[in-house]
Amino acid sequence: DAGITQSPRHKVTETGTPVTLRCHQTENHRYMYWYRQDPGHGLRLIHYSYGVKDTDKGEVSDGYSVSRSKTEDFLLTLESATSSQTSVYFCAISESPSGGYDTQYFGPGTRLTVL
Amino acid sequence: RKEVEQDPGPFNVPEGATVAFNCTYSNSASQSFFWYRQDCRKEPKLLMSVYSSGNEDGRFTAQLNRASQYISLLIRDSKLSDSATYLCVVNFRVGNTPLVFGKGTRLSVIA
Repeated sequence: DAGITQSPRHKVTETGTPVTLRCHQTENHRYMYWYRQDPGHGLRLIHYSYGVKDTDKGEVSDGYSVSRSKTEDFLLTLESATSSQTSVYFCAISESPSGGYDTQYFGPGTRLTVL
Repeated sequence: RKEVEQDPGPFNVPEGATVAFNCTYSNSASQSFFWYRQDCRKEPKLLMSVYSSGNEDGRFTAQLNRASQYISLLIRDSKLSDSATYLCVVNFRVGNTPLVFGKGTRLSVIA
């Protein structure tokens, strides 16, 4: 299995509080991604990174920000959590930008509940 | 718009059965295709990539039909351990745009 960890694995928080989720990899892959997964939806991309300090928005980026100060760490921040952000969050990594036949490897996920 | 469509199922099949899933995608310029497997409350894991000529890995066969823009996954001799959700994934290959995931097809293999 790819060396990807996510922390925390579970979190319950209240509306309006800031939350930061961490993704850590030991594979030295250049590309990192944050997804959310909700019932009735496929995995949806929030933000991704193509290098240290290089990030871009995905499909559902509103209400989220990211930072990548080191190759191995990609942080996802909910500036002011809302109940609609209750979800399972997955981090993924890839060696190339999903061109060709390279693929993405996923972390174990973080279950976030916003009350 | 980039879309990947799958039949959500569930597909309930007996052990030993053969089952097939299809997936359609919206962009004829798409270059690469994958099937992922996701167990309940776990992360998605790559099952197999899908090559233009079709490819096989043990009991699993993936086919690509570019003209009709669909991908299929065939599972032969189903095992109880095959019970999972199968995600169809397409690379729409626009700049750095990453993969687009279907919502998944749920398979339950019954003893």
